[in-house]
Parts: sequence; C-alpha cells; structure tokens
Amino acid sequence: DGGITQSPKYLFRKEGQNVTLSCEQNLNHDAMYWYRQDPGQGLRLIYYSQIVNDFQKGDIAEGYSVSREKKESFPLTVTSAQKNPTAFYLCASSLMRSGEKLFFGSGTQLSVL
Amino acid sequence: RKEVEQDPGPFNVPEGATVAFNCTYSNSASQSFFWYRQDCRKEPKLLMSVYSSGNEDGRFTAQLNRASQYISLLIRDSKLSDSATYLCVVNAFTGTASKLTFGTGTRLQVTL
Repeated sequence: DGGITQSPKYLFRKEGQNVTLSCEQNLNHDAMYWYRQDPGQGLRLIYYSQIVNDFQKGDIAEGYSVSREKKESFPLTVTSAQKNPTAFYLCASSLMRSGEKLFFGSGTQLSVL
Repeated sequence: RKEVEQDPGPFNVPEGATVAFNCTYSNSASQSFFWYRQDCRKEPKLLMSVYSSGNEDGRFTAQLNRASQYISLLIRDSKLSDSATYLCVVNAFTGTASKLTFGTGTRLQVTL
C-alpha cells in the first residue's frame, strides 16, 4: 500500500541535543512538507521541498534543518537552536508542487525532557 | 486579522442533527480551498475540495462565497463518527509560489 511513514511516534529531547524525525513516502510524490502543530494554532510550515536536492524555508524555519537526497525521504532535524521544540510534527507529501491535496504521515510528538 | 479564521467550537450536537461551520479568509487572491478532518492526535485527512459551484459528497456539502470571502461545510444527519476537528485550508498564489494556510480548526462533538 502506498503511503507516508513518520517515525518515531514519540520522541524526547534533552537540552542542547539535536534530534531527527524521519519521513518516508512511496507515493512517488515530488513535493514534501514539514509542519508543526501547537495546541490552539493552525499548522505552520517549517520547510518544504518540491524536488530532490532542493528545499525552501517555510514560515518558521529557524532552529530546524532538512535534507532531500532522495525523492522518498525528507528528514527533519530539530536543532538545539530551537528553544521551544515541544509540538506535534507532521510530514506531508503532494503530487502537485502547489501543495494542494496533501497526504500526511501519522505525526511525531516531540517533547523536551 | 488572521489569514484564515475558524470558530474553534466545540460544537456539541446530537446524533442526526445538521451542523454547519464557516471559515473566513483575508486574502482575496486565494485560489483554492479545502476541508480536512483531524481526529485527536492523528494526522489531518482531506475531506473535500471546495469549488465555486459548491460540491456535495454524501452527507457533506461544501460551498464557497468569494464575495464575502468565506467557505462553509455542512454536515447532515451527524454520526458519532463525525466527531473530530475540521480544518479549513486556503491556497493563495503569492506571485512566486503557492502558499497553503491552515485554520486552527473547529471541533465537533456528536453525542447520543
């Protein structure tokens, strides 16, 4: 079955630590996205990539980094520079580069120890 | 003013009721519109695209009013399984790229 897989489901970060969230899709979609969801707020775009080896900052990119070495994979690293990382992180992909009709992974809940 | 605004609810309705949500958007250049459904601590899933002429999918009807800059979602004959948060999403072309903006969601609780 085609889909988009995020791991881990839960992740805990210590102060000063970098952590990486995995996102893999086998839908053959060009475009991939990372969103952050906080309680009472809409999804906010962190980074997106419309093609392999290229990615763009979203609205809240500070403290995060990404790579897109393969079409199927778009990992997100939450660096120690991100001072408020506790949130629900959602990866998505889209057949259209305009980002319409997103397919989401099941999310990663990141918490700070 | 927020780019996309929704009443957070919760809307508590009995099973079988009809319920409607509105979502307003501020960017008049917005081009396409969507409703997503999100269950608690799960990922959003596309429920419907919203077209100018309005569209219906079973018990769900979505409409767009460009003049007043809002979209609506109507759910008829509510089921317990409809309980979820409904996210309004607006796509606007910014001149160099398209940008999706998510509303904060409207929570629906259907009760017996």
